[in-house]
Amino acid sequence: GIQVEQSPPDLILQEGANSTLRCNFSDSVNNLQWFHQNPWGQLINLFYIPSGTKQNGRLSATTVATERYSLLYISSSQTTDSGVYFCAVAASGTYKYIFGTGTRLKVLA
Amino acid sequence: SAVISQKPSRDICQRGTSLTIQCQVDSQVTMMFWYRQQPGQSLTLIATANQGSEATYESGFVIDKFPISRPNLTFSTLTVSNMSPEDSSIYLCSVDSPGTPNEQFFGPGTRLTVL
Repeated sequence: GIQVEQSPPDLILQEGANSTLRCNFSDSVNNLQWFHQNPWGQLINLFYIPSGTKQNGRLSATTVATERYSLLYISSSQTTDSGVYFCAVAASGTYKYIFGTGTRLKVLA
Repeated sequence: SAVISQKPSRDICQRGTSLTIQCQVDSQVTMMFWYRQQPGQSLTLIATANQGSEATYESGFVIDKFPISRPNLTFSTLTVSNMSPEDSSIYLCSVDSPGTPNEQFFGPGTRLTVL
């Protein structure tokens, strides 16, 4: 099956800093999502981005499907950005999402 | 996007017992899924809940341990049977979005602790 690796596994930032999170996947996919899991365990949809670039406020994401990776950019980080960021992919012809290993982000005030 | 609720939000159970988790959606959806997140780990798909037929289980998960029901297009249940401490996890249901079918949204999760 598809393998999904995220890097870095852990990240500590000062408030106001920028960061880039990476998601590599081992096979072609038709669907890709980025999620933020807050400290209470809730999964929040950030982007549905099987290809191309999207922006939403301080967050943006880029997926290069042909090279099998996606990037999530966080600018001017805030303490509320803390939590775990997951990317999840689904292969062609399936709605079954496979989750990556996650990046645990802590933003310090 | 659909509004998804789960009951209970958390529970503490004794080993050997069973717990049924409910997932309710405020609109009809085609696909419903159940995931498990063990402590400190990523999410793993347990099964796809099919309306009107048996659930489709992923490798490593069996119906006897995780029976699933889906009586209609807005509701599903997952039972964790004969629990052991290793079943302590967050259990989440997800649904496809009526507006964007390939995008999934997740319920708030059920945090289960087995003593």
